[in-house]
Amino acid sequence: DAGITQSPRHKVTETGTPVTLRCHQTENHRYMYWYRQDPGHGLRLIHYSYGVKDTDKGEVSDGYSVSRSKTEDFLLTLESATSSQTSVYFCAISDRGAGPLTDTQYFGPGTRLTVL
Amino acid sequence: AQKVTQAQTEISVVEKEDVTLDCVYETRDTTYYLFWYKQPPSGELVFLIRRNSFDEQNEISGRYSWNFQKSTSSFNFTITASQVVDSAVYFCALSEAGDYKLSFGAGTTVTVRA
Repeated sequence: DAGITQSPRHKVTETGTPVTLRCHQTENHRYMYWYRQDPGHGLRLIHYSYGVKDTDKGEVSDGYSVSRSKTEDFLLTLESATSSQTSVYFCAISDRGAGPLTDTQYFGPGTRLTVL
Repeated sequence: AQKVTQAQTEISVVEKEDVTLDCVYETRDTTYYLFWYKQPPSGELVFLIRRNSFDEQNEISGRYSWNFQKSTSSFNFTITASQVVDSAVYFCALSEAGDYKLSFGAGTTVTVRA
C-alpha cells in the first residue's frame, strides 16, 4: 500500500471557521491531489500540485486553498467553512516514469468533515 | 471535456454469481487511461486495474477481468464467482495524457449476499 496518511480523519466544525486538512506521503511522489466525495458525484478534483510550491485548481476549487512547502506534505484549507463543504476529502498521489503504472493515482484513507 | 457514466447505481447478487459493471466514457483525446477503483464499506479507495487507450488487449487477473472496447467507448469490469468481500462501491475513472485530473463516474454499489 502507498504510504499516504491524512489528518485529521474526522472533524466537526462550525460555519465560518477555518479548517486545514493535511496529507502526508512517504513515497516521494511528485504529484499530489485533493478530491471531495459526495453522493451521486463520485470524486471531484479540488486542487492538485505538481511539485513543491507548484499548485493549480481543479473543477471545484471555490472556497479552498492549498499549499505545498515540502514534497511530502499537501495542505488543504477552507478559509471560512460552509455547510456545502461537508464531505469526505481524499488525498491522492502519483508519479511519472516509464513503468506501466505511471500516473496511477493512489489514495489516502480520507477525512470526513462535517460543517454545522 | 471528459465524462464517465456508470449507468448501474446498485447491483445485488448471491455469492458465486458473476457481476459485470458497465462503464462508458467520453473523450476527444486519442491517448487516455481508464481505471477501476474499489471502495469497501471501510471507506478507503483501492486501485484495481488500469488500461491504456493504445492497448485494447483484455485480461484476466484472478477473479477480475475487463473488457475494453474503443469502438463503443466502454470499459466494463467483471467479478467472477463473487464473494461477500466483494461488496463495495466500484468507480470507473478516466484521465487524458498530460492531464492531471481523474474524472470519476458516480459509482456502482455491489452487494453480494451469502
